Amino acid sequence: AQSVTQLGSHVSVSEGALVLLRCNYSSSVPPYLFWYVQYPNQGLQLLLKYTTGATLVKGINGFEAEFKKSETSFHLTKPSAHMSDAAEYFCAVGPQGGNKLVFGAGTILRVKS
Amino acid sequence: DARVTQTPRDKVTEMGQEVTMRCQPILGHNTVFWYRQTMMQGLELLAYFRNRAPLDDSGMPKDRFSAEMPDATLATLKIQPSEPRDSAVYFCASAPTGGSVYGYTFGSGTRLTVV
Repeated sequence: AQSVTQLGSHVSVSEGALVLLRCNYSSSVPPYLFWYVQYPNQGLQLLLKYTTGATLVKGINGFEAEFKKSETSFHLTKPSAHMSDAAEYFCAVGPQGGNKLVFGAGTILRVKS
Repeated sequence: DARVTQTPRDKVTEMGQEVTMRCQPILGHNTVFWYRQTMMQGLELLAYFRNRAPLDDSGMPKDRFSAEMPDATLATLKIQPSEPRDSAVYFCASAPTGGSVYGYTFGSGTRLTVV
């Protein structure tokens, strides 16, 4: 079985500050890990993913995430927040070779000017 | 860019009416998912199909919800009769075989309001 915990349902940062959104997962098999972003009144868009290989993955809009197996974490970061980053972010885990993803509860990011 | 198309975008209906939501997955994607999103419950998986066959519909209230894939280009989610507690945004997503390595592509959703 797999599960995802996103720490903090709401995160608020100032424009230009570091963004850190936390995700911890539980998986009995090697996982694939994903971050999705949802802007108001839109569907979820894939931001980045880890499957195999390099543990630091880069995505769109300057975001990146690092897979840390020992910590069962896949935290999302961005060095400098922009107002347009305000959205809801979802972490998801899936089994290698499988189809079904399990999503976290989401974290709403607010960016203050 | 290939996209998942959902119709209608918005639907307001009266309690007791039948509601049908449609989804056109990306051409070549053989796995289709239906999710429901509410403020209280977040994202809930209702059902998913592979090669048009239902693989898991355990998240769906069986008495009023039904999901089908009449062909590879169309997935439908029906609610009959609808109730106010069904008000939510319903998302369709599709993925190719081995979808967990690619992730899903989501549609823009159908916002359902039952009054």
